[in-house]
Amino acid sequence: KAGVTQTPRYLIKTRGQQVTLSCSPISGHRSVSWYQQTPGQGLQFLFEYFSETQRNKGNFPGRFSGRQFSNSRSEMNVSTLELGDSALYLCASTLRTSGGASSYEQYFGPGTRLTVT
Amino acid sequence: GIQVEQSPPDLILQEGANSTLRCNFSDSVNNLQWFHQNPWGQLINLFYIPSGTKQNGRLSATTVATERYSLLYISSSQTTDSGVYFCAVLNQAGTALIFGKGTTLSVSS
Repeated sequence: KAGVTQTPRYLIKTRGQQVTLSCSPISGHRSVSWYQQTPGQGLQFLFEYFSETQRNKGNFPGRFSGRQFSNSRSEMNVSTLELGDSALYLCASTLRTSGGASSYEQYFGPGTRLTVT
Repeated sequence: GIQVEQSPPDLILQEGANSTLRCNFSDSVNNLQWFHQNPWGQLINLFYIPSGTKQNGRLSATTVATERYSLLYISSSQTTDSGVYFCAVLNQAGTALIFGKGTTLSVSS
């Protein structure tokens, strides 16, 4: 199976612009999560989508938004970029299993490194 | 919410040495993962280990859920083991991983 793919891998934007990042999960995985990684704050959860619905959102301003399509591909958008939005944005595809003991295992893509100047 | 603490924050080893990385979490969890972040930033899954012990080559992991900690063992370390190791647990809502700050491992030849 192909892994999680993210595009683009690198991006340079200027303050005030907006950006859209894309993520394709592992085939058969219906849940996609987004995380932001910065040297100061570490890895922080942005939001999770399952079956085109946002199920959970982290503590980020409304400038950060996302969506999921019927094929499970997801996009996240950041509007009015700020210098502090420079970060590695990671997308994760989730395998959920159920039964006697449900599990929740995430697999990450290579990330998009965003630089805001 | 759940707090995840990893120790040590930094570890410097000579090739061939063994090491133990620790992850403590503040509340009961039923999901725990260990990751290795490579120099290009990708998080590589090492173990999904909510409890018990698993081994994969030179790496092994043990989680004692009742005592709220997990250990990652690296034996006969190699320079390619260098990078940041993260522990992550599932939040109470069951919808997001909460990460520790990581342990930065440097292995020199």
